[in-house]
Order: sequence, then C-alpha cells, then structure tokens
Amino acid sequence: DVVMTQSPLSLPVTLGQPASISCKSSQSLVYSDGDTYLHWFQQRPGQSPRRLIYKVSNRDSGVPDRFSGSGSGTDFTLKISRVEAEDVGVYYCMQGTHWPRTFGQGTKVEIK
Amino acid sequence: EVQLAESGGGLIQPGGSLRLSCAASGFTFTDFGMTWFRQAPGKGLEWVAYINQDGSEKYYVDSVKGRFTVSRDNAENSLFLQMNSLRAEDTAVYYCGRGTWGPAYWGQGTLVTVSS
Repeated sequence: DVVMTQSPLSLPVTLGQPASISCKSSQSLVYSDGDTYLHWFQQRPGQSPRRLIYKVSNRDSGVPDRFSGSGSGTDFTLKISRVEAEDVGVYYCMQGTHWPRTFGQGTKVEIK
Repeated sequence: EVQLAESGGGLIQPGGSLRLSCAASGFTFTDFGMTWFRQAPGKGLEWVAYINQDGSEKYYVDSVKGRFTVSRDNAENSLFLQMNSLRAEDTAVYYCGRGTWGPAYWGQGTLVTVSS
C-alpha cells in the first residue's frame, strides 16, 4: 500500500500568518493517464471532510484562494497564505492513484 | 444540489452484521463510482471500499476483505455496505463519497459502534 506521510502533525498558527503542510508518498502518484491524483481535504470539528484541492493544485468550487496546492511525483504541499479562524481543523492528503486509496495521518491546524 | 445521506448505523455486538445505506440525489448516480470511508473515534480518515458505476469492479481495504461487501442499486440511487463478522476495531463513523479518485462530495456519516 502507498504510505502517505504528513508533517507537521500539529500546526499552531497566528491569525493572518501563512501555514504550510507537507505530504510525501512512498510511491509516485502519477497515474497512467498522466494525471496525479493527490488531493487535500479539510475536516472542521464535528463536520464531514471537505475537499479543498484536487489533482495537486486545483481548487474546488467555493474554496478561498488563500489555499493552494503544489508538488509532483511523491512530494506535495498545501499552503494557506493567511490563516483565518475558520481554517481551524484537521487537514488530510489522500492519494487516488493506487488501490487501496490511502490518507495521510492528518495535520491539526490551530490558532496560537 | 448533490446530496448523500448515510443510514443504518447503530450499536452491534462483536461478530454481528449491519447493512449501511447511502441515498444519493442531485446527480446522475450511474455516472459515478462510489466509495465508503470511515473514521474511528478521534482518529484519521480511512478508505474502506469502492464500487464502479455498474458494480462490476470493487476494491476493499485489506482489513475488511472477506467481511464487508459493497453494492449498489442504480434504480434506487443507493449505495450499500454489508458488514459481517464485525469487530471492535470497526467502530467508526462511516461516510459515503461520490467518485473514483477522491470525492468532492461526502455524506454526513453514520456511526457504527461494535461493543458487547
């Protein structure tokens, strides 16, 4: 199975400051069609997960542009340019290239 | 509006069986593969099972193979997860999600508690 490793696992951030989460996969996530199926999800307390970014760098509808994704191959990053109070929650990367699909451990973002 | 609504969770004894349902609306159900996920209390997300549009392809995480069966009824726009030989470690909120590669849409989840 593809192991997804996130860091850090806890991320205290000052409001208005940037935040960055790393996600590394144990195998390349490039699929045979040339796409890379690495996605980012946000889970606010008490809520279902919400997809923020799909295929590395594409923002889902309604996602603020302060969220951005980048990376390639096995190394990916989610960035929040200026953290707001509503960004508190746990962030997960997930690979959709290989079976079984796998998630990172999650990164808990909290306000300092 | 895309909506996914899980049901069927509850308290069940170890070794018991439970069938979860996911009612889909707001999109053409037959256009999409569907996925089950779960989240144990206080833990991270886990992918559980996938079924393609016509039910001809299914995939499972190793820990549920031989115990869980994913199915769908395209006439009723419904997804199912039959869970047999349940164990304490299957205790989780179970979510259904639309899509093959990583769902944009999730349900609200249904809680399954396996305990004597």
